[in-house]
Formats: sequence, C-alpha cells, structure tokens
Amino acid sequence: DAGITQSPRHKVTETGTPVTLRCHQTENHRYMYWYRQDPGHGLRLIHYSYGVKDTDKGEVSDGYSVSRSKTEDFLLTLESATSSQTSVYFCAISQGTESYEQYFGPGTRLTVT
Amino acid sequence: GIQVEQSPPDLILQEGANSTLRCNFSDSVNNLQWFHQNPWGQLINLFYIPSGTKQNGRLSATTVATERYSLLYISSSQTTDSGVYFCAVAIFGNEKLTFGTGTRLTIIP
Repeated sequence: DAGITQSPRHKVTETGTPVTLRCHQTENHRYMYWYRQDPGHGLRLIHYSYGVKDTDKGEVSDGYSVSRSKTEDFLLTLESATSSQTSVYFCAISQGTESYEQYFGPGTRLTVT
Repeated sequence: GIQVEQSPPDLILQEGANSTLRCNFSDSVNNLQWFHQNPWGQLINLFYIPSGTKQNGRLSATTVATERYSLLYISSSQTTDSGVYFCAVAIFGNEKLTFGTGTRLTIIP
C-alpha cells in the first residue's frame, strides 16, 4: 500500500471557522491531489500540486486554499468553513514520471454544522 | 471537459456469479484507472490500464482506447467484492482524474 496518511480522519466544526486538513506521504512522489466526494457527484478535484510550492486549481477550488512547503506534506485549508463543504476529502499521490497512477489516502470526513 | 459514463449503475448478484462493468469516455486518455470503494470508504486501486488487457486473480480489465471504453470483469464473485466500482480517466497523465459515478455491486451469499 502507498504510504499516505490523512489527518484528522474525522472532524466536526462550526460554520465560519478555519479548518486545515493534512496529507502526508512517505513515497517521495512529485504529484499530490485533493479531491472531495459527495453523493451524486463522485470524486472531484479541488487542487493539486506538481512540486514543492507549485500548485494549481481543480474543478471545485472556490473556498479552498492549499500549500506544499515540503515534498511529503500537502495541506488543504478552508478559510471559513460553510455547510456546503461538508464532505469526505481524499488526498492522492502519483509518481509523475514512469507512471501516472494515482493512489488515495484513507479520507477525512468533515462535517460543518 | 471529458465525460465518463459507467454502466450499470447498480448490480445485485449471487455469490459465485460473474459480472462485467463498463466505462465509456468521451475523449482520448492518457490515464485510466479502476477503483473499488469498499463499505468503509477506502479507495482501492484495481487496475491502471490506459490501454490493453490486465489480469489480477479473479479480476481482469480491458481498455480499447481507440473506441473509448474499458471493461472490468469480476469472476466467481465473493461477498467481499461488494462496494462501488469507479472508473477514472485523465486526458493528460498527471492532471486531474475525472471519475464516473460508479457501479454499486452487491453480492448476496
């Protein structure tokens, strides 16, 4: 199994509070991704990173920011959480050279009340 | 953007049966993956198969890139095969995966 951990695994927070989710990898892969999974929508990309300090927006990036200061860590921040951001968040990684295959972390269930 | 359609949306089978899941996509792709999401929500990689055929135990997959579809075959189904199967594609290898809405498979003992 790919070495990907996410923290926290579960979080309940109130509307308007800031939230940061962490993705940590031990594979030294170049690419990292944040997706959200919602009923009826499948998984959708929020942001991704193609190297340290190199990030780009995905399909549903509004209300989210990311940072990657080290190869192994990719942070997703909700500056002011809203109920529409209640979701399951998955981090993924890919090597980006010999293979494009993406591997997913265990997910973080976030509830915004 | 690229469209991904999976069929059937739901499938209920008796243990031991075989099944074929289909994924159609609307553009040429450089990445195609099949995942199994188990009842605990974990996404498990099944195949990385932008073209060709692969087999892994009771599971096999075929992608016909020129005709823009992929098939996942599950033989001799077991209850542990239950869950949602997702197909996901990317036009450029390291860009976002676009997911289909999945096939929910239920295996009855």
